[in-house]
Amino acid sequence: QQPVQSPQAVILREGEDAVINCSSSKALYSVHWYRQKHGEAPVFLMILLKGGEQMRHEKISASFNEKKQQSSLYLTASQLSYSGTYFCGTVGGSNYKLTFGKGTLLTVNP
Amino acid sequence: DTAVSQTPKYLVTQMGNDKSIKCEQNLGHDTMYWYKQDSKKFLKIMFSYNNKELIINETVPNRFSPKSPDKAHLNLHINSLELGDSAVYFCASSPTLTVYEQYFGPGTRLTVT
Repeated sequence: QQPVQSPQAVILREGEDAVINCSSSKALYSVHWYRQKHGEAPVFLMILLKGGEQMRHEKISASFNEKKQQSSLYLTASQLSYSGTYFCGTVGGSNYKLTFGKGTLLTVNP
Repeated sequence: DTAVSQTPKYLVTQMGNDKSIKCEQNLGHDTMYWYKQDSKKFLKIMFSYNNKELIINETVPNRFSPKSPDKAHLNLHINSLELGDSAVYFCASSPTLTVYEQYFGPGTRLTVT
């Protein structure tokens, strides 16, 4: 089942912070975050495992609330290079299938 | 060296034709995938192979047939192309079938006219 991401889009000025949320109605084993720039392939950011720690990638961090089946991606002091579409992907069962949300379009302006 | 490569990058063809997309990874990974990304950017898994064995076969028309001649290659053949097949097709690989990051190829933009 597809995870739900919010917001669908966000516009920031350079240096501002943003939070992107991802939730699932099913029990999750892991949450994956990817960023896709326009015309390019998705690029892996981080994985959060059930029972695991909060992860970081540069100034981007993420958390995973296993009880609520929710993950949040925190972008701190955003840079122009952060612009792109952020996808969360979830793995819920033993089939190892990664199901992506619809994405959040992040635009960082100077 | 490109980690995951796909050919061709662009494919324009007419309805009813048959076409193939090739994918190769030089990362030594065991698992490979095909994803379809539609015009609304929805990224959906189609197939996955682990050591040449088909693991995930989503609800995809049987006009789509993947083939993995070895664990470094995963090709996608599409018969009788339809307008709705127009999309960007991404190949990806990961070290194993279990939870690991996936490395995506550059994508193949398929346009069916």
